[in-house]
Amino acid sequence: GEDVEQSLFLSVREGDSSVINCTYTDSSSTYLYWYKQEPGAGLQLLTYIFSNMDMKQDQRLTVLLNKKDKHLSLRIADTQTGDSAIYFCAETKAAGNKLTFGGGTRVLVKP
Amino acid sequence: DVKVTQSSRYLVKRTGEKVFLECVQDMDHENMFWYRQDPGLGLRLIYFSYDVKMKEKGDIPEGYSVSREKKERFSLILESASTNQTSMYLCASTFRDGRYGYTFGSGTRLTVV
Repeated sequence: GEDVEQSLFLSVREGDSSVINCTYTDSSSTYLYWYKQEPGAGLQLLTYIFSNMDMKQDQRLTVLLNKKDKHLSLRIADTQTGDSAIYFCAETKAAGNKLTFGGGTRVLVKP
Repeated sequence: DVKVTQSSRYLVKRTGEKVFLECVQDMDHENMFWYRQDPGLGLRLIYFSYDVKMKEKGDIPEGYSVSREKKERFSLILESASTNQTSMYLCASTFRDGRYGYTFGSGTRLTVV
């Protein structure tokens, strides 16, 4: 079955770059997503990437996909205290289908 | 503003009670999902539905059932609540083809005592 894994915790200083990593096992994953969850809130879609892409950039966010190694990363440039949250990667075989999530990475931004 | 609304933000129920968690979306989405979220385990899929009156088991359906009588409403039912069902429950919806992505509700934190 599908499996998505992330490291549990990341601490970063304000202004530095953050890199959150994710690995997945299902080679048929077609869409890969990054979600952000702030305390007491639901999930907010940050960005997504199709499996036929290597990279996607959206303002401070850069997503890198290594399909051969089944590795996905999210880089946040110039990390701010408002970026402190839990970040989830998720994958699906087809848009609209069920999402499989990783365990989430808690990012703490220190001033 | 498009929304997925979960009826309760916090719930406390007793062991053995029948519990209904309601989710309503106003976006005319065909697909709806129920997840539970536990620390370190991420979100795990309980049940999902691709159409009215249709339902499919997710990864952890045991102890749960669902109902989808109307397109906009997807209910999660705990037939006999147990303490190991204490969790955060999140509802999500999307169009059949996934366009515009998935929208999540704010969650219901359920405590079973």
